[in-house]
Amino acid sequence: SYELTQPLSVSVALGQTARITCGGNNIGSKNVHWYQQKPGQAPVLVIYRDSNRPSGIPERFSGSNSGNTATLTISRAQAGDEADYYCQVWDSSTEVFGGGTKLTVL
Amino acid sequence: QITLKESGPTLVKPTQTLTLTCTFSGFSLSTSGVGVGWIRQPPGKALEWLALIYWNDDKRYSPSLKSRLTITKDTSKNQVVLTMTNMDPVDTATYYCAHRKDYFGAFDIWGQGTMVTVSS
Repeated sequence: SYELTQPLSVSVALGQTARITCGGNNIGSKNVHWYQQKPGQAPVLVIYRDSNRPSGIPERFSGSNSGNTATLTISRAQAGDEADYYCQVWDSSTEVFGGGTKLTVL
Repeated sequence: QITLKESGPTLVKPTQTLTLTCTFSGFSLSTSGVGVGWIRQPPGKALEWLALIYWNDDKRYSPSLKSRLTITKDTSKNQVVLTMTNMDPVDTATYYCAHRKDYFGAFDIWGQGTMVTVSS
């Protein structure tokens, strides 16, 4: 079965750029989606199909996908960006989520 | 505006069958491409996809749970129902339903989730 690997945690200074990776075999050939989940809340889609932002998501959120790594980039990180982030792909008729990354804004 | 809301028991006993209902508004499950999925999250752990049903009644299941899951839809009631048999304490989790607007797309709108505890 397909697996997605995310770092358990990423820290970023306030106002700096955070990068959260999602590793998978030839993930560059797949559509990657990213979700933000704050404590006690349901996940919110922040990036779909590698690099597209849903309506209402700030331009500070961007995504890329190539080779074996997809990356969610959060520019000018704010305290409100502190959350868990999950990547997700479709593979062989199943949906796969990464293990999640806790973003801490220092 | 699309909304989804999960409902069902908050507590089930081991070996019992869990039945969860997702009631939605703002879209139709008879529209081409549209799907509704179920995802769960044990306390403090990651998201886990369970099942997905599309407008054409195409159904997909997590391979590891396939034998225990059934997903159905009632288009006239705007509901999707998930049943999970032989519940175990490890199935304790928050269960979410979510909207998908096309094949291979993302889960773009999620319900608030419902917490299910499995305990005798």
